[in-house]
Formats: sequence, C-alpha cells, structure tokens
Amino acid sequence: NAGVTQTPKFQVLKTGQSMTLQCAQDMNHEYMSWYRQDPGMGLRLIHYSVGAGITDQGEVPNGYNVSRSTTEDFPLRLLSAAPSQTSVYFCASSYRRTAKTYEQYFGPGTRLTVT
Amino acid sequence: QQQVKQSPQSLIVQKGGISIINCAYENTAFDYFPWYQQFPGKGPALLIAIRPDVSEKKEGRFTISFNKSAKQFSLHIMDSQPGDSATYFCAASRAGANNLFFGTGTRLTVIP
Repeated sequence: NAGVTQTPKFQVLKTGQSMTLQCAQDMNHEYMSWYRQDPGMGLRLIHYSVGAGITDQGEVPNGYNVSRSTTEDFPLRLLSAAPSQTSVYFCASSYRRTAKTYEQYFGPGTRLTVT
Repeated sequence: QQQVKQSPQSLIVQKGGISIINCAYENTAFDYFPWYQQFPGKGPALLIAIRPDVSEKKEGRFTISFNKSAKQFSLHIMDSQPGDSATYFCAASRAGANNLFFGTGTRLTVIP
C-alpha cells in the first residue's frame, strides 16, 4: 500500500512552459485535493475532486487545471508557468471518517521552480 | 485573508519542556480542527484533531485545548523531544466539508 504518490519530486520550468504534476492514490479514497505550500502562508487549496468526473476550485485555482477520470489519479496541469507558481505542491486523498469529518493523507510533494 | 491565524512562527524548547502553539479563527462555521506535523522534505501528517463539542483532547504527549467562545485552540506537546522538531500546522474545516484552511505553520526546534 503506497498511499499517495507524486511525481516528479523536483521540476524546473521556464516561464510560459506547461507541465503536469502527477498524483495517484491506492486507498480507494473518494476525495482528492491539490494544495500549494509557500513560506509564511501555510498550505492553500488549489482544486479538489469529490469523485471521478467531478472537480471544483479551491482558494487559489488561477493558472491550474485538473481532471479526474479515475478514482486513483488526479493530475494537476500548469497551462503557462509563471514565477508566482514557484512552490511546493502537495496532493492529498481523503475519506469520510465520521458524518462530519474527513481524514486527509498527503503525498510527499513536488518542488517546482519557475524561472 | 488568512482564515486561521497561527503563532508563534518559530519556537525553541529545551528537551523535556512544554511546547505550546496557538491558533485562532473567525469563521463560526468551522467544525473540525486538526493539527498536522511536517518533517523536512515530507508531506504533512495528521497528528491529532478535535471537534468543538469537547474542550480538550489528549493523545500521548500531545494535547489540543479548545476554547469555543474565544475561537481559539492550541497544541501542547509535553516532555518535548528532539524527534518532535518539525513544522506544525493547525487547520480548520466546516462541518461535513473536506476542504481544509491551514494556519501559516510553526517551526519547532527541541534542543537536547
């Protein structure tokens, strides 16, 4: 059971390039999310998915696209990279632990630098 | 606008001491308050969580204290150990919602 896996671990892009950050989970969780972590700002939600075929925007969605064709995979696409997207990106999957709470599991992160 | 405010930004504690990290929120719709621990180069991992129907929750050396009227909650680490050195994040979510709002993090260093 690998949990949540992310690839690549590190990536350097030039401004204007596009790329896809991969995320996969093997826990059969319905919910998956993408966060970015910036110094002094904690983690902020970019996009999330409540199941295959269903996605929605979080706090900071601009410049990013997502899709969810399977339960296992939730890729994050940067359409035209900008220096402001330099960050560490975390994917998370979660399940409903109780009627009112979810438990989230985070991947190891992708460190992205845009020059 | 930061929905969950966290302090201090960094904390140095002697081995065996008590580490205290504080968080505050404004949104009364928040109903679930987890704490995450993150080691360098790793993703955050759930440490302990509380809901507003209790004022305190303890798991081993880790305790959350919750003050609903003040809209504040804190993490206490008793008998702090060098292995506890990490960044700690508080977070909050609305009832039945999956999306978390995180504090800005506290870097804890426990010196031997």
